[in-house]
Amino acid sequence: QEKVQQSPESLIVPEGAMSSLNCTFSNSASQSIWWYQQHPGKGPEALISIFSNGNKKEGRLTVYLNRASLHVSLHIRDSQPSDSAVYLCAVSRTNAYKVIFGKGTHLHVLP
Amino acid sequence: EAAVTQSPRNKVAVTGGKVTLSCNQTNNHNNMYWYRQDTGHGLRLIHYSYGAGSTEKGDIPDGYKASRPSQENFSLILELATPSQTSVYFCASGDAAGGAHEQYFGPGTRLTVL
Repeated sequence: QEKVQQSPESLIVPEGAMSSLNCTFSNSASQSIWWYQQHPGKGPEALISIFSNGNKKEGRLTVYLNRASLHVSLHIRDSQPSDSAVYLCAVSRTNAYKVIFGKGTHLHVLP
Repeated sequence: EAAVTQSPRNKVAVTGGKVTLSCNQTNNHNNMYWYRQDTGHGLRLIHYSYGAGSTEKGDIPDGYKASRPSQENFSLILELATPSQTSVYFCASGDAAGGAHEQYFGPGTRLTVL
């Protein structure tokens, strides 16, 4: 069974700072990695995905994937109070129906 | 835009009662999923479906049944509800096209079993 671990559990940063979230997974065959954002009382929403080794940038978000170390990170530049939410890392394999989620990182951005 | 709706949004049930949670998606996605989310456990997969008429067990299926009568609808059924099933339940839809597994989630149902 694939395992997904996220760290830290909670992260507090001041407005304008860089937020860095980490995720490790247990199976190098995992093909796709997604990051989801979940605000209180809402369902998760997909933010950004990565499939190949290396990095991907979208707006203030950058994600880095290192398959050799089974590690992926999400970095949020110029963090805003509206970024305060739980961030979930999710991994799956090609042609697999199941997606495995981590327990999440609670991000608090202080104004 | 993707749309997944759930009903009811809140439900209080008694122990031993039957509870049905409903989910509807207008994305025309083949795959649908039921998760529960609890503090300390994150999102856990209960049942999923890859098309009308199919249901598959997820990681924690005990005490739950699922039904997928059509492409759009996916229900989660608790035949004999227990207090341990108090949780927030999320439905999601998605397609595994090209190895991508983005899932679109509904707003959730908060279930309390007394």
